[in-house]
Amino acid sequence: GAGVSQSPSNKVTEKGKDVELRCDPISGHTALYWYRQSLGQGLEFLIYFQGNSAPDKSGLPSDRFSAERTGGSVSTLTIQRTQQEDSAVYLCASSLRQREQFFGPGTRLTVL
Amino acid sequence: SQKIEQNSEALNIQEGKTATLTCNYTNYSPAYLQWYRQDPGRGPVFLLLIRENEKEKRKERLKVTFDTTLKQSLFHITASQPADSATYLCALGGPRGSTLGRLYFGRGTQLTVWP
Repeated sequence: GAGVSQSPSNKVTEKGKDVELRCDPISGHTALYWYRQSLGQGLEFLIYFQGNSAPDKSGLPSDRFSAERTGGSVSTLTIQRTQQEDSAVYLCASSLRQREQFFGPGTRLTVL
Repeated sequence: SQKIEQNSEALNIQEGKTATLTCNYTNYSPAYLQWYRQDPGRGPVFLLLIRENEKEKRKERLKVTFDTTLKQSLFHITASQPADSATYLCALGGPRGSTLGRLYFGRGTQLTVWP
């Protein structure tokens, strides 16, 4: 596709369950980022991929959060044993080196 | 750690006027700064990038300034229109020489342009 896509667009889960969020970046973009945005808050950086490696994962809030990227393309963010404080919009972005980032529409995660 | 502040959470102006949004930061020296627009329920959309050695950048009705001494960026929208109503985010890039592309975002300023 022409832009960054994310799935699902909405996810409602019960506390303690695991969830997987998917991001399809723009073709050819080597850099991929995950952010999350809570209501009324700014974007919080989670992790950065360059190709398939993650040189900066300093924003992952706990070891319940993990992410991988395969084939230099699709990325999956996994949250294990979800907690209510994990509820937020999870945004993925891709870019060519250190330039403008192109964001997807986000996945709204609600943990009940 | 770095801290980014965007002036007032909300700015309301009349159509046709110039909107000026402020982004201040501390404890950091970014190699570049970006501005994004975010509409409700959508991801941010890139507007402008300005590097540390640039004082001003323009794109159509948009103008960005970058003062590394004051640690401040100003974002102007001239001849504002109701369609400009959105949340505008300031984002700092990595320090000079950094190969990491992460951005540090402010909380944003919600702009409303009324007819």
